[in-house]
Amino acid sequence: QKEVEQNSGPLSVPEGAIASLNCTYSDRGSQSFFWYRQYSGKSPELIMSIYSNGDKEDGRFTAQLNKASQYVSLLIRDSQPSDSATYLCAVNRNTGFQKLVFGTGTRLLVSP
Amino acid sequence: NAGVMQNPRHLVRRRGQEARLRCSPMKGHSHVYWYRQLPEEGLKFMVYLQKENIIDESGMPKERFSAEFPKEGPSILRIQQVVRGDSAAYFCASSPPLEGEAFFGQGTRLTVV
Repeated sequence: QKEVEQNSGPLSVPEGAIASLNCTYSDRGSQSFFWYRQYSGKSPELIMSIYSNGDKEDGRFTAQLNKASQYVSLLIRDSQPSDSATYLCAVNRNTGFQKLVFGTGTRLLVSP
Repeated sequence: NAGVMQNPRHLVRRRGQEARLRCSPMKGHSHVYWYRQLPEEGLKFMVYLQKENIIDESGMPKERFSAEFPKEGPSILRIQQVVRGDSAAYFCASSPPLEGEAFFGQGTRLTVV
């Protein structure tokens, strides 16, 4: 079992729709959870971090965490073509950014 | 305030040569992390360094790979006697001394021919 699992996609949504990206993790000791966006050939860019159960909203992005189910998700409202990228889920046993364990990413395609 | 700087951006090496990848953290950041990304795979943690100290190298292959972060100058990831399987994108990230967001550099794409 992979430590962090994501559906590779591609996930295709029309412009203006809600994109829902999911991630499961195996280490129950994980404390911090991150979503990164990576455009092709570029470096990962942090979008959201979440540390406690529930929802965390930032603009069009909402991260959801359920530690009991070992599940974290990212919702993107009003999806734009510019959101088309690979979204990486990362987890950490500690509360910081040290030794992040990444999933393989979900490719999102937003069509105009 | 310049971001995390990595160089070179692209590096081509023949099998058996050495590859040296450099990373200059953001100003004020004293923690450096190296990750490797193989095609169609996620980023894999390699090593976590602070100035003059290796904090966690549990992701580093036991042979041919080494990393340092000297008191002065950039962090260096060194790969000796490269093989084709070393071809990948190598990303460096840095973060502040206390807990804070880690920012990634643009990466070095190593190709072994």
